[in-house]
Amino acid sequence: ETGVTQSPTHLIKTRGQQVTLRCSSQSGHNTVSWYQQALGQGPQFIFQYYREEENGRGNFPPRFSGLQFPNYSSELNVNALELDDSALYLCASSEGLADEQYFGPGTRLTVT
Amino acid sequence: GIQVEQSPPDLILQEGANSTLRCNFSDSVNNLQWFHQNPWGQLINLFYIPSGTKQNGRLSATTVATERYSLLYISSSQTTDSGVYFCAVVTKWYGGSQGNLIFGKGTKLSVKP
Repeated sequence: ETGVTQSPTHLIKTRGQQVTLRCSSQSGHNTVSWYQQALGQGPQFIFQYYREEENGRGNFPPRFSGLQFPNYSSELNVNALELDDSALYLCASSEGLADEQYFGPGTRLTVT
Repeated sequence: GIQVEQSPPDLILQEGANSTLRCNFSDSVNNLQWFHQNPWGQLINLFYIPSGTKQNGRLSATTVATERYSLLYISSSQTTDSGVYFCAVVTKWYGGSQGNLIFGKGTKLSVKP
């Protein structure tokens, strides 16, 4: 059974650019959640997708957007990158909304 | 919104020692998970424990949902136990449904040889 995978592992972007991060959920999981973890902090919830629909959003501006595909993989898009967007971005999948969440290895984004 | 508080924030142990990490939460929860974050950032699932007690090798966890706290016990600690331990909860919802995890700030554990 393949776990949650994310790509790319690392990414360096310039302020103002756009970025797309990808996540493949664990087999049999229909729910994907995205989190941002700044250095020295706990992960913060960005948004969640359940069966291709957004199901809840944290306190992040609209320039953070996402998609979930029919195979339940997901993308996180960030437009107009700011220096404060530098962080570890984590994706988690679960069988259902309140079920145990399993995390991918993360994408480390650096904005210069 | 719900508050999740972890204590202690930092813990230094000698190899072989035992420790208890605590997680307090301010409202009813549907889900509670304990994670270990390794130096590369990977969050490793330790326990899914909205209530009751579970054990896995040298680790065990207890959640008392009615009193809104959870404890993670590490016995006979090893240097590989070093890292940050996070508690995270999913709030109990009333109408609608949301399943996002709300994390505490973590406990940074250092185990010295």
